Amino acid sequence: DTEVTQTPKHLVMGMTNKKSLKCEQHMGHRAMYWYKQKAKKPPELMFVYSYEKLSINESVPSRFSPECPNSSLLNLHLHALQPEDSALYLCASSQAGTGYGYTFGSGTRLTVV
Amino acid sequence: GIQVEQSPPDLILQEGANSTLRCNFSDSVNNLQWFHQNPWGQLINLFYIPSGTKQNGRLSATTVATERYSLLYISSSQTTDSGVYFCAVAGAQETSGSRLTFGEGTQLTVNP
Repeated sequence: DTEVTQTPKHLVMGMTNKKSLKCEQHMGHRAMYWYKQKAKKPPELMFVYSYEKLSINESVPSRFSPECPNSSLLNLHLHALQPEDSALYLCASSQAGTGYGYTFGSGTRLTVV
Repeated sequence: GIQVEQSPPDLILQEGANSTLRCNFSDSVNNLQWFHQNPWGQLINLFYIPSGTKQNGRLSATTVATERYSLLYISSSQTTDSGVYFCAVAGAQETSGSRLTFGEGTQLTVNP
């Protein structure tokens, strides 16, 4: 079992819906990440939180809104998504600074209809 | 940004064979990791290896930072080794090792 837990595992949403993806880790990591992965492609970094503060936003559209309520939780709020946003969304955590111990969750498979 | 190239893109082996996967990167790095993504999508961290050599069972990895490449060795391959192997790096110009850029991956298929 992975030590980074993501929910839900699958999500189907309409273009006018609002939904949230959740991620939780209890490894004491102070860096947490959201990645997006399309089929047959590598993961692409979206956001980095370091010590609960947003440190990197890879020019992600505002319809994706991250939130880090505390050192163990990471959310990704979704609103007015497009069909091309359908993908596997991966959460990860690691030691801050070095990036040592990168651990990925099993992902949320998102389909936008 | 830093460029990461992996080779070969695809590799098909018979069970028991050995293989070497290569990762070239375009600039100095302060973080390099190898991951295995299984057919169900789970990414497993294999090695944190910005330099030097490490071994874990049938897997080993070597990074020659001065020549900007890393190698992942798989010995006595098993069908469960199938999946995509990714190399991911953070450039030395980054303030931390957090911003990983992934290569396109090597798709490994091990046949019984």
